[in-house]
Amino acid sequence: TQLLEQSPQFLSIQEGENLTVYCNSSSVFSSLQWYRQEPGEGPVLLVTVVTGGEVKKLKRLTFQFGDARKDSSLHITAAQPGDTGLYLCAGALQGGSEKLVFGKGTKLTVNP
Amino acid sequence: EPEVTQTPSHQVTQMGQEVILRCVPISNHLYFYWYRQILGQKVEFLVSFYNNEISEKSEIFDDQFSVERPDGSNFTLKIRSTKLEDSAMYFCASKADGTTPLHFGNGTRLTVT
Repeated sequence: TQLLEQSPQFLSIQEGENLTVYCNSSSVFSSLQWYRQEPGEGPVLLVTVVTGGEVKKLKRLTFQFGDARKDSSLHITAAQPGDTGLYLCAGALQGGSEKLVFGKGTKLTVNP
Repeated sequence: EPEVTQTPSHQVTQMGQEVILRCVPISNHLYFYWYRQILGQKVEFLVSFYNNEISEKSEIFDDQFSVERPDGSNFTLKIRSTKLEDSAMYFCASKADGTTPLHFGNGTRLTVT
C-alpha cells in the first residue's frame, strides 16, 4: 500500500510565525498536489508540483517537490489566522494511475 | 467560478438500503471521480470514469458500488445495500483533461444506521 505520511498532524502557532509541513513517502509520484480543506467542504487545490526539485510560491506559501519526487514540503511565512485549516498533500503515482493518494493532513491553527 | 455540486449534502439511511449520491461536474470536464473520507481518516479514491466507462477503481469499489452518467450532466454513485462502514463523506471530483487540476465538490455526508 502506497502511503503519504504528513507531519506534523497538528500544529498550533501564533500569528506572525513561520511553519513547515512535510509530506513523505517511499513511493515516487509523477505529480503532487497540496489542498486546503475547510470543515464541511471539499478539498481546494493550492498547487501542483511536477518536476523533482521544483519550487512554487503562492503569496506567503512556498511548496517544494523533492528531487526524487517522493516528498514535498509546504512552508508558510508570517502565518495569519486566515491560514487556519487542514492542509492535505496528495500524489499521483507513476504509471498512469488515475487515483490520487492522500495524506491524512496537517491541521493548522494560527492564533491571533 | 464554475463548481462541482453534490446533492444531498447529508443522507441518512438504514443498513441494507440503496442510496444514490448525485453530482453535477463542471460542464466542460471529461474526467469524473468519486472519493470518500471516513471520519478522522484519509481521503480515499473509489473510482474514476472517462468516456462513459470506469477507467480505474479501488478495492473499496466492490460490486455493491456502481457509477453512472445518465444524461451528460449528472454523475451518480449508487451503493446497492449499505453497510454501517459505508458511513463517510463522499466527494465527487472532475477535471477537464489529464493535466488540469482536479475540482472537488463539497461532499455528501452519508450516515448509515
